[in-house]
Parts: sequence; C-alpha cells; structure tokens
Amino acid sequence: GENVEQHPSTLSVQEGDSAVIKCTYSDSASNYFPWYKQELGKRPQLIIDIRSNVGEKKDQRIAVTLNKTAKHFSLHITETQPEDSAVYFCAASIEQGGKLIFGQGTELSVKP
Amino acid sequence: ETGVTQTPRHLVMGMTNKKSLKCEQHLGHNAMYWYKQSAKKPLELMFVYNFKEQTENNSVPSRFSPECPNSSHLFLHLHTLQPEDSALYLCASSQDVRYEQYFGPGTRLTVT
Repeated sequence: GENVEQHPSTLSVQEGDSAVIKCTYSDSASNYFPWYKQELGKRPQLIIDIRSNVGEKKDQRIAVTLNKTAKHFSLHITETQPEDSAVYFCAASIEQGGKLIFGQGTELSVKP
Repeated sequence: ETGVTQTPRHLVMGMTNKKSLKCEQHLGHNAMYWYKQSAKKPLELMFVYNFKEQTENNSVPSRFSPECPNSSHLFLHLHTLQPEDSALYLCASSQDVRYEQYFGPGTRLTVT
C-alpha cells in the first residue's frame, strides 16, 4: 500500500530563517498532497495543499513544491516566526482505494 | 473551528470502566475517521467510515468499538482499556476519503 515518509522528525531554526520539510510517497497514482499544522494542545489544521497537476503553490510565507517524477514534495516556510513552532504533517492521497496517508510529523521549533 | 466537535474533551477512566467518545460534524461530509495520537507520535488511523459503512479497521483491539449511526455522528465505545491506551483521540471528517480532512479538537483520554 501507500507509504509516506517525512523528514526530519525535528527541526530547529532561528527566527527569520527558512525551514524545509520533505516527504516522499510510494504510490505514483497519488494526486493530492495536503500539509497540516498542529500547535501544542490543538487540532491538526490544513495550511496548504497541492494537486498533481501543478508543481508549486505559494501562500504568503509558505510554499509547497511537488516533484512527481521523484515522488516527493516539500513544505517551505520563509522568514520563520515563533508562532510557526508546531508539528507539521504531510499526507498523500491514493487514487485507487481512496485513502489519505499521513507522514510521521516534523516538530518545528523557531527560536527567537 | 466548530465544524467538527468532540465530547468529552477530557476523560479519566479506570481499566474496568465503560465509556464512549462522541464526534459530530456539521459540514455535510460523507466520511468520518478516528485517530489515536500518543505523545510525540504520528497520527495513527484507527477506523474509517464512508457513507456510514466501516471501510477500514487498522488492526484496532476489540476493546475499542466504533459506531456510526449516521453520516454526522461517530462514536468510539471504550471498555476494559489499558494504561497504554492513554492518548489524544481525534475525530475527523471529509467530503471524500481521498481529500482534505477536518479535525475535531480531540478527547484527551487517561486510563488509570
């Protein structure tokens, strides 16, 4: 079945620096790739998503890139702020069998 | 924030107790999910219901028993739990099992 690997598991950056989280997926038929942010004690919430017909999507300081050939996608956060500190989950959707599979999560810490 | 609600938000129960977790979604979605999230661990999918039918049971012990009486409500019945079952239990819903999931706030369960 589909497998989603996420790296790194923890990431610490200085405020103002960029952060990059990477995910790989195994099913080449996957066509939907959301990213969720879970702040401490709160629910995961969708922050950005991308479909397989585009290679990049931006929303202010966050962007997601997709490389279908290599079967990996990445979350980029620029000009990081302390409030970006959270656990980030990537996910991929299988076309056949219809299921969203989550990565293991990355704990991002932004130090002021 | 009120699209998916969960009750109770916190629950402490003994190993011989029987309790139920409730999830309700007000988004008109067709699929509902139960996840278990232990401290500093990824989201573990437990059950999936699509159009009220259970489509996935991820090898969950029988002491967890789900119930989906209609597309808007999902229950998780608990009995004879173990201390290692202590975790955050998250409910989610989506219009389609392949796409964006909306999470509830979770129930923090402690088994003593």
